[in-house]
Formats: sequence, structure tokens, C-alpha cells
Amino acid sequence: KQEVTQIPAALSVPEGENLVLNCSFTDSAIYNLQWFRQDPGKGLTSLLLIQSSQREQTSGRLNASLDKSSGRSTLYIAASQPGDSATYLCAATNFGNEKLTFGTGTRLTIIP
Amino acid sequence: DAMVIQNPRYQVTQFGKPVTLSCSQTLNHNVMYWYQQKSSQAPKLLFHYYDKDFNNEADTPDNFQSRRPNTSFCFLDIRSPGLGDAAMYLCATSRDEWSRRVEQFFGPGTRLTVL
Repeated sequence: KQEVTQIPAALSVPEGENLVLNCSFTDSAIYNLQWFRQDPGKGLTSLLLIQSSQREQTSGRLNASLDKSSGRSTLYIAASQPGDSATYLCAATNFGNEKLTFGTGTRLTIIP
Repeated sequence: DAMVIQNPRYQVTQFGKPVTLSCSQTLNHNVMYWYQQKSSQAPKLLFHYYDKDFNNEADTPDNFQSRRPNTSFCFLDIRSPGLGDAAMYLCATSRDEWSRRVEQFFGPGTRLTVL
């Protein structure tokens, strides 16, 4: 059974700094891994999706990496802004199973 | 343009009074999902439709039912809401193509309050 972990649960960073969010998974037979952003009381916004054959994906100031052998994915945010404050969740999809297995998220606060 | 739409955004119901949450999509995706998310927890999959095929998660209570009358719409029915059912309910869609990436797109959610 896939388990996804995100540590730390909360992170505060001064504005302008680069930062990395971590995601670990126990079953490396993943089909893809997806990163989401969730603002308080809102739904999930898809940020990046990495296929199992890929090592990284980039969108603007965001870069997500995937290392299946170590069971890790990271989300790198460059030049952080107060508007980046939100909860970030990662979720894995395994082969033969369309379901997303979510981590519990990292609540990010960017300090102006 | 909204692609996955959920109505209402906020729903208040009384203990034991049936409630229906609605989801519609403009993406023409063949798979639709319903998740329950409680405060500070990860979303939990309740069930999903693969076209018209209903797939229930083993631990989803019988109190939760779903209907999908056509490709665009999917409903979540809670027959007798309890206080423990208060949560954010998220609808998501995806296009199932094993040769291509399978990305789930989420709606804004419906926050359910049970009095």
C-alpha cells in the first residue's frame, strides 16, 4: 500500500528566498506524481505533474523533481513571494491504480 | 474559465437531513472522483466513476451515494448526515489514457456544515 509523507508540516520563509518542499513515497512503482496548491478553504490547484519516466518538470518559478529509486520528490520554489503562501500537497498514482495517494501537505508561509 | 464546477460552495444542513452536492465539468473527461477532506487532513477518495462504471472505496460509508447521469455531471448524496460528515467535499476529473499522462483537475470544493 502506497504511503506518502510530507515533512515538515509547516514552513516559514522570508520573502525572496528560494525553498524546497519535500515529498516521500514508499512504493516506487508510481505512474506519476502530482503537486498541488491549496489555499485556505479552497479546492486544489494542480501545479506540476511528473511522469514516472521523467526526472523533473518546470513551470515558471516552480521546479519539481522525481527520484523513484530513493522514493522522493521535491518542489523547488524560486524567489518566493507572499502570494506563494498556501498548503502544498503531493500525490502519487501507482500503476494499475488510478487513485491519488496524498500526503498531508506542507503549510508554507512567506514572510514579507 | 472554470473547468470543474461545484455547487453550492457552502452547504449547511441539519443532522440527518439528506443533502446533495453537485459537480459539473467542461473538460469532457471520462473519469470523475469525489473526495472528502477534513481539516488539516489529506483528501480521502470516496468513490469514482470510470465512464458509467461506479467504483466505491472499501471504507466509504453506505451513507454516501453517487450518481452520474451523463459525462458532464456527477452528484454526491449524503443520505443522513452526521456531525462527523462535516468537511470539504472535492470533485475531480481526469481523462484516462494509459499512453498519456493522467492528471486530475479539481473543483473549488463544497464546504459542508452539519448542525
